[in-house]
Amino acid sequence: DVKVTQSSRYLVKRTGEKVFLECVQDMDHENMFWYRQDPGLGLRLIYFSYDVKMKEKGDIPEGYSVSREKKERFSLILESASTNQTSMYLCASTQSGTTSSYNEQFFGPGTRLTVL
Amino acid sequence: KQEVTQIPAALSVPEGENLVLNCSFTDSAIYNLQWFRQDPGKGLTSLLLIQSSQREQTSGRLNASLDKSSGRSTLYIAASQPGDSATYLCAVLGTYKYIFGTGTRLKVLA
Repeated sequence: DVKVTQSSRYLVKRTGEKVFLECVQDMDHENMFWYRQDPGLGLRLIYFSYDVKMKEKGDIPEGYSVSREKKERFSLILESASTNQTSMYLCASTQSGTTSSYNEQFFGPGTRLTVL
Repeated sequence: KQEVTQIPAALSVPEGENLVLNCSFTDSAIYNLQWFRQDPGKGLTSLLLIQSSQREQTSGRLNASLDKSSGRSTLYIAASQPGDSATYLCAVLGTYKYIFGTGTRLKVLA
């Protein structure tokens, strides 16, 4: 079974803090994704990575950065947290290739981040 | 630009009923379509993946169909149970990324 884990289920931070969200997958997947999920807006892609040290902006990258130093780990960084970044953050991974019809997304349990 | 719509947004049914959830998309150039289940406050659990060359997939009481030409997929749930209560999302894979619908919130009443 593919397992995607996220470092925290719940996180409370203050405005201006630097925040790190970690995601680890154990199935040697090449592609990893960070989404945020907000009521009425659905899932929106923040960043994705298709290889170690590679990253691509998604639909809403402003205020975020990412790091992928090892294949199994993809980190999302909020450089200076703001209240509008309060959200549910979801990490996902897929096996290989960006357009393979076999690619099935597997998600982690999510991190509920509150910025005060 | 690909858009994915799920109707209805919410559905409430008595236990035992067979039901159909709908997912429509505007651009038929997709590589696959995936159905997920999400429980409150949790991540997404993959239910079924339909590749673009396939017409349907089945898993237990679930059956998903895909009609690319009309931009539609349906998720059929047989003999619904209270444990099926959750939000169901569909997602299509286009070039490089997945586009999600906003989900159907299902409640199965005992």
